[in-house]
Amino acid sequence: DIQMTQSPSSLSASVGDRVTITCRASQDISYYLAWYQQKPGKVPKLLIYAASTLQSGVPARFSGSGSGTDFTLTISSLQPEDVATYYCQKYNGVPLTFGGGTKVEI
Amino acid sequence: EVQLVESGGGLVQPGGSLRLSCAASGFTFSTYEMNWVRQAPGKGLEWVSYIGTSGSPIYYADSVKGRFTTSRDNAKNLLYLQMSSLRAEDTAIYYCARVRGGVPGRLIDYWGQGTLVTVSS
Repeated sequence: DIQMTQSPSSLSASVGDRVTITCRASQDISYYLAWYQQKPGKVPKLLIYAASTLQSGVPARFSGSGSGTDFTLTISSLQPEDVATYYCQKYNGVPLTFGGGTKVEI
Repeated sequence: EVQLVESGGGLVQPGGSLRLSCAASGFTFSTYEMNWVRQAPGKGLEWVSYIGTSGSPIYYADSVKGRFTTSRDNAKNLLYLQMSSLRAEDTAIYYCARVRGGVPGRLIDYWGQGTLVTVSS
């Protein structure tokens, strides 16, 4: 099975900072990569799919890039409401493996 | 509005069984593939199972294969997860999650609020 590895596992940044989270697949998954945001006590929310396509309603400060095995989620200017854990997930086939998560704090 | 409402969670002893349900509304349930995803307390997300639109194919994570059974009733807009031989490590919030239609792959676009399963004596 393909493994998904996220880094870092946690980070602390200031409001307005540029934040980058990486996700690495153990095999080529093309562009079948999604990013989810999960705020404390809440349900995961789809942010980005197809590696770089922003889900409707998601602020433009979020962006995604990459293909194959290496992917990146970037928050261009961190806001207080972005405090959450972020997960990447491969969805090209089962198992639909998630990365371990990155907890973002301010 | 898409709604997914899970039920059936609770406290169960190790070795016991439990059946979860997910009631879908706001979309044509029979045309969407579905999943179960779980999250242990304070831990990350773990995919559990997938089911196709007509009840097949069905796939399971290795961690639950042979113990969990996923099914659906398209006439009632219900998704089920029958869990047996439960272990402490199955303790988690269980989410039902919809696969987006019309895009390649099995992208999850909507999640239910989840139901908590606690396996403990």
